[in-house]
Amino acid sequence: DIQLTQSPSFLSASVGDRVTITCRASQGIASYLAWYQQKPGKAPKLLIYAASTLESGVPSRFSGSGSGTEFSLAISSLQPEDFATYYCQHLSSDPYIYIFGQGTKLEIK
Amino acid sequence: QITLEESGPTLVKPTQTLTLTCTFSGFSIDTNGVGVGWIRQPPGKPLEWLALIYWDDDKRYRPSLKSRLTITKDTSKNQVVLTMTNMNPVDTGTYYCAHRRGSTWFFDSWGQGTLVTVSS
Repeated sequence: DIQLTQSPSFLSASVGDRVTITCRASQGIASYLAWYQQKPGKAPKLLIYAASTLESGVPSRFSGSGSGTEFSLAISSLQPEDFATYYCQHLSSDPYIYIFGQGTKLEIK
Repeated sequence: QITLEESGPTLVKPTQTLTLTCTFSGFSIDTNGVGVGWIRQPPGKPLEWLALIYWDDDKRYRPSLKSRLTITKDTSKNQVVLTMTNMNPVDTGTYYCAHRRGSTWFFDSWGQGTLVTVSS
């Protein structure tokens, strides 16, 4: 079964910093990867799909890249509202299962 | 604008059956490619997908929970219902329903979630 491993699990940064979160798949998944942002007590919000396509309404400081087994989510200049937990996600066809990474919590330094 | 809202009990006893309803607007579940899924999140833990129903009534379940889950849809009411049998304290968490964009593999709109606690 495919697994998604995010790194780091915790990240401490300051407003204005550029940060990168990595998601590694245990097998090649082409560009079938999405990224979500979740704030405490709130539902996840779709940020990026197809590894690098920005969802409508998402600020351009967010960007995604990668294909195959290695993916990354970058935030170019952290804003106070960006401190949250981020998840990557893939749909495996065999077995059919939506897989989420374990999450990366981005905290204010 | 797509909206989804989960409803159901906040507290269930061990061994009981949980029934959750997702009421949605802004889309038709009859639209080709559309799906509605259920995802849960134990306190402090990652997201875990449970089930999904497609526009054509195809149903998919998390393999490890398949024997306990049933997902159905009521097109006339714009609702999707998830039942989970034999609830256990480890099933405690926030349960979300979410819209799967047509012919894609991700969830673009989510309900606010409902917290379910399993305790005697």
